[in-house]
Amino acid sequence: SQQGEEDPQALSIQEGENATMNCSYKTSINNLQWYRQNSGRGLVHLILIRSNEREKHSGRLRVTLDTSKKSSSLLITASRAADTASYFCATATYGQNFVFGPGTRLSVLP
Amino acid sequence: ETGVTQTPRHLVMGMTNKKSLKCEQHLGHNAMYWYKQSAKKPLELMFVYSLEERVENNSVPSRFSPECPNSSHLFLHLHTLQPEDSALYLCASSQADRGDSPLHFGNGTRLTVT
Repeated sequence: SQQGEEDPQALSIQEGENATMNCSYKTSINNLQWYRQNSGRGLVHLILIRSNEREKHSGRLRVTLDTSKKSSSLLITASRAADTASYFCATATYGQNFVFGPGTRLSVLP
Repeated sequence: ETGVTQTPRHLVMGMTNKKSLKCEQHLGHNAMYWYKQSAKKPLELMFVYSLEERVENNSVPSRFSPECPNSSHLFLHLHTLQPEDSALYLCASSQADRGDSPLHFGNGTRLTVT
């Protein structure tokens, strides 16, 4: 069964606003990763958060992880038109391969 | 500039053709993957090679045949495909013995089966 599931499926915001995407999963994990995909391109790794971590920052990105709720969120602050892309969460469990969610399509309007 | 290179970028083939997709990674990784990305569906893992041994198949139809001659190269041989096989095929690599190693993706091959 599908492990990660992003919410919302699509998000449209104005440049300068913050964008928040959520990911829920079903089973215990070792780590959770967020990836970005521009149209027609491959996925690019953004940030990894381990199961014993609660929050992580990287530039304008902030990721939180709540293992009790089996959920994670990705916050992009001060969004730019160049942030327009699809964003995927992927869960990693020891001895098993990554499982990706269907993604959130983010549109940042100039 | 991605460390994972896929060729060709686009491929149109008939249902009776035989073609191959190629992937090369320059990152020194020891695991390589083939993923299929169809519209409105999550990424589907097709094949995994770790240390050049295939470790996962995921019940992929036999019309898809992977080959991993060394840790830097991965092929996906295609024959007698169906129109529903049209998709973006993504290759990725990682460091298999590191549990927190992220995947590094190529830009994919957009396959259209006519």
